Amino acid sequence: DSGVTQTPKHLITATGQRVTLRCSPRSGDLSVYWYQQSLDQGLQFLIQYYNGEERAKGNILERFSAQQFPDLHSELNLSSLELGDSALYFCASSPTGAPYNEQFFGPGTRLTVL
Amino acid sequence: AQKVTQAQTEISVVEKEDVTLDCVYETRDTTYYLFWYKQPPSGELVFLIRRNSFDEQNEISGRYSWNFQKSTSSFNFTITASQVVDSAVYFCAPKTGANSKLTFGKGITLSVRP
Repeated sequence: DSGVTQTPKHLITATGQRVTLRCSPRSGDLSVYWYQQSLDQGLQFLIQYYNGEERAKGNILERFSAQQFPDLHSELNLSSLELGDSALYFCASSPTGAPYNEQFFGPGTRLTVL
Repeated sequence: AQKVTQAQTEISVVEKEDVTLDCVYETRDTTYYLFWYKQPPSGELVFLIRRNSFDEQNEISGRYSWNFQKSTSSFNFTITASQVVDSAVYFCAPKTGANSKLTFGKGITLSVRP
């Protein structure tokens, strides 16, 4: 158990809908990362937050947004969902967000868009 | 630009054999960190080991060990005396310089047969 929690574990929804994925980092970790894992794209970095502020952005679509709250939990919002958004979404956390920090991953949220 | 390559796609070994997983990381940066993660069939991503570019010696952690060959930019990860529970997909994921995002290779599927 990494100490990172993600809810829900599974999500099934329809095209055009909007969903919110939630992540709680390990106790004491200030930085949160979101990654997407799909069969065709592999594991890709989406976005990083550090202590409530956006720190880095990767291949995140404009339809997707995220935020980190004062209690350090984070939410990833996916809107106008398409079939291609079906994937496993991981949240990870690290103590400070420094490059040498290991990132510890949550169990993931499997999103299926029908 | 940097490039991470895991040329092996699938490896199958018999329990108790040693197995080496290859990763080639090409970068012009002199400071970088290379992480190995394991993804068992249950789907979670588990941190295994980290190597810093400035490490002088190769590292051993339990049954896991590193071997870095600077001439070929190869970071080889060895599991000694493999076990069935080692069956998983193994990802090599570097971070360069001040960048905190992990860039994952395509992964190597390891099957350990009893």
